[in-house]
Amino acid sequence: GAVVSQHPSRVICKSGTSVKIECRSLDFQATTMFWYRQFPKQSLMLMATSNEGSKATYEQGVEKDKFLINHASLTLSTLTVTSAHPEDSSFYICSARDFSGGTDTQYFGPGTRLTVL
Amino acid sequence: GENVEQHPSTLSVQEGDSAVIKCTYSDSASNYFPWYKQELGKRPQLIIDIRSNVGEKKDQRIAVTLNKTAKHFSLHITETQPEDSAVYFCAASSANFGNEKLTFGTGTRLTIIP
Repeated sequence: GAVVSQHPSRVICKSGTSVKIECRSLDFQATTMFWYRQFPKQSLMLMATSNEGSKATYEQGVEKDKFLINHASLTLSTLTVTSAHPEDSSFYICSARDFSGGTDTQYFGPGTRLTVL
Repeated sequence: GENVEQHPSTLSVQEGDSAVIKCTYSDSASNYFPWYKQELGKRPQLIIDIRSNVGEKKDQRIAVTLNKTAKHFSLHITETQPEDSAVYFCAASSANFGNEKLTFGTGTRLTIIP
């Protein structure tokens, strides 16, 4: 299957700082990527849909000014958690849609564990 | 919007037995139903998917069935092995090569007892 990378895998930061997470599709182009948040022992909650060259679409209840998304190329989307607070601590996972081969499949990155002190 | 329910939340089966996980969805426009396996601290891995033009799909020990009339689909794992222990998520979307998003179920923690 297609490969999606995510960086960093873990990050610990102080409250009030900003953290940037990168999501890359390594062997395919992804016009659409998704950002999820996952709390321990819970399901994946979609935060926003990232579209290459246009503004992201945020899910209800997700603050767009706090979670900045940029999808500047067909292989890279970034999520910036601004002014992070302890309640932002979570597992953030991206996915990318692969339309090659006539199918439409989402492949996930390995996730980023964010801890805000 | 779409709502996906998944049952059971936890499932323990003896090694070698079969495991079945069931999901229901609410949006009749949904036409794509993938299943993901997630091991602790790792990414969800696509294990099988089905589209609404078929009723069943098999891949070795894994099969998925879809009943569009009843709006439910199920994952079947036969001859279970310890490495099948993980959390399994079903999902649904009206994927049509657009920007449709996946709606996930709440997950099933499957434990295979050696």
